[in-house]
Amino acid sequence: GENVEQHPSTLSVQEGDSAVIKCTYSDSASNYFPWYKQELGKGPQLIIDIRSNVGEKKDQRIAVTLNKTAKHFSLHITETQPEDSAVYFCAPRTGGGNKLTFGTGTQLKVEL
Amino acid sequence: ETGVTQSPTHLIKTRGQQVTLRCSSQSGHNTVSWYQQALGQGPQFIFQYYREEENGRGNFPPRFSGLQFPNYSSELNVNALELDDSALYLCASRAQREGETQYFGPGTRLLVL
Repeated sequence: GENVEQHPSTLSVQEGDSAVIKCTYSDSASNYFPWYKQELGKGPQLIIDIRSNVGEKKDQRIAVTLNKTAKHFSLHITETQPEDSAVYFCAPRTGGGNKLTFGTGTQLKVEL
Repeated sequence: ETGVTQSPTHLIKTRGQQVTLRCSSQSGHNTVSWYQQALGQGPQFIFQYYREEENGRGNFPPRFSGLQFPNYSSELNVNALELDDSALYLCASRAQREGETQYFGPGTRLLVL
């Protein structure tokens, strides 16, 4: 199967706090795990991705961790800023091809 | 900005009509995928084109069809429009040599009345 679940569906944090979003997937053949950020009226923007031969990847305030055994990966945003407010999607590659299966999204709100 | 462009930005059609949406890939990208994003949901994979041929399809009926041209631009055609086809249609391009990373365009917002 190709189920992808994402939690939480909404997340509200104070500016400067950290935010963590978790994604679980069912396809054991998945080997590519991107996170996308989508702002209102725009297409999804890739913010970070990880491949199955790596457990963690960091890019400034953003990091992704992967637990392939448990079939989940998480997005970590530190020192959140108001411009981080958006909908975030995990989208593991599934089905053995290049199809991305998107989660249901997490609405992140960073409050001043 | 990703360099992927789509047209039109939005349009309104009536049930039963046909629509064609267009996508220009980022320079050097030879693979294009189309996704449908209903309001409040994540994008769903429709199909992918590589070297002008469809090489992957999601759970969408045959009235959703596509084309890819020699310059790697692409079209999505939807026949016999239904109310549930109202959505944001996204195209994403990638370069085979660069692996899996897909870059999305801004989308076309389709409303079917």
